Amino acid sequence: SQWGEENLQALSIQEGEDVTMNCSYKTYTTVVQWYRQKSGKGPAQLILIRSNEREKRSGRLRATLDTSSQSSSLSITGTLATDTAVYFCATEGTGGYKVVFGSGTRLLVSP
Amino acid sequence: EAAVTQSPRSKVAVTGGKVTLSCHQTNNHDYMYWYRQDTGHGLRLIHYSYVADSTEKGDIPDGYKASRPSQENFSLILELASLSQTAVYFCASSAARGPNERLFFGHGTKLSVL
Repeated sequence: SQWGEENLQALSIQEGEDVTMNCSYKTYTTVVQWYRQKSGKGPAQLILIRSNEREKRSGRLRATLDTSSQSSSLSITGTLATDTAVYFCATEGTGGYKVVFGSGTRLLVSP
Repeated sequence: EAAVTQSPRSKVAVTGGKVTLSCHQTNNHDYMYWYRQDTGHGLRLIHYSYVADSTEKGDIPDGYKASRPSQENFSLILELASLSQTAVYFCASSAARGPNERLFFGHGTKLSVL
């Protein structure tokens, strides 16, 4: 597997708190995508970050990518109950031609 | 907004039976994918296609066939369904291939094999 973490992780926080989710990967990549999957729905892309960006922001979201440590993070500031979802990072698969997903982080934001 | 629709939304199948999952996209995308999601895990690529009448194997193709009769339609076929194929299946499309490409997913098909 290209991922360091294989089991779904879970976080439970209160609305208004900030949260950071991490993922680590084993194979080299130049880009990481973050997806969110709400209950009963398919994943939807939140943000894409390339290796030359190190940090990227979109609204309340902030993604980082550190290719030297082969890790990426997604932070959400001022969480809302509607942020409750599973968050996946995704990166290059073998051969560089496909997207491969990590196991995800289940985030529960309580009102 | 890009649209990928899957049918059925859920299905119960018997072991050894044939199952066909369908996917239709209106994005005018060349690439389509079938992923499998097991409870508590990420998505794994089963098959993909970049042009009509051609399919390619993904990471876990065993026990599955795929069919791409047109640019808009992509099917996943389980000729002999097994208990281990109980999962949620997602179809996705993208404009091009590669890790930079945004994938647009359908709502998923929950398959239970009994």
